[in-house]
Amino acid sequence: EDQVTQSPEALRLQEGESSSLNCSYTVSGLRGLFWYRQDPGKGPEFLFTLYSAGEEKEKERLKATLTKKESFLHITAPKPEDSATYLCAVQPNTGNQFYFGTGTSLTVIP
Amino acid sequence: DTEVTQTPKHLVMGMTNKKSLKCEQHMGHRAMYWYKQKAKKPPELMFVYSYEKLSINESVPSRFSPECPNSSLLNLHLHALQPEDSALYLCASSVGGTAGNTIYFGEGSWLTVV
Repeated sequence: EDQVTQSPEALRLQEGESSSLNCSYTVSGLRGLFWYRQDPGKGPEFLFTLYSAGEEKEKERLKATLTKKESFLHITAPKPEDSATYLCAVQPNTGNQFYFGTGTSLTVIP
Repeated sequence: DTEVTQTPKHLVMGMTNKKSLKCEQHMGHRAMYWYKQKAKKPPELMFVYSYEKLSINESVPSRFSPECPNSSLLNLHLHALQPEDSALYLCASSVGGTAGNTIYFGEGSWLTVV
């Protein structure tokens, strides 16, 4: 069964304290893995798409990596404006379905 | 700014009302989606349209009725809803087809059923 698990559920960091968010997945065949940021009351904002193991993408303080079983979202020297819920989703090889994890709620304290 | 536009942003309706949520994209995407999201939960898929045809219906109650008039528009018709249907309704789109492709979300429509 296709499944996505994110950890931790919540994370509190001091400003400048780097950390990583985890997305573990089980899927019959991976077409793509996606990271989104969601602010309260708004739609998810696209961050990255990863297609194959070993792939890495970077944007400002964020870096996403992918292995055959999991993806990490590394946050370097976070700022308070990075506070949000980060969602991971996977798309299997068949169909247009996307499976979302339950998200990690990140709070960055000044 | 998102290129998926949803209207209205907020909707309050009674349980006997009929209303519609609207979604529009001009990115040339051929797959469009409706998701429902409750507080502190991930988006939950409701419907997928691929090339204007309904391809996925995740066992959604018939009080929700989707419509895809053309490749740019997606509607969700609402009738006889229950208070537990109150949620953020998200529209999304993607290129479509067999390639791995990103889905882009709109800002959502907040629905409150009273």
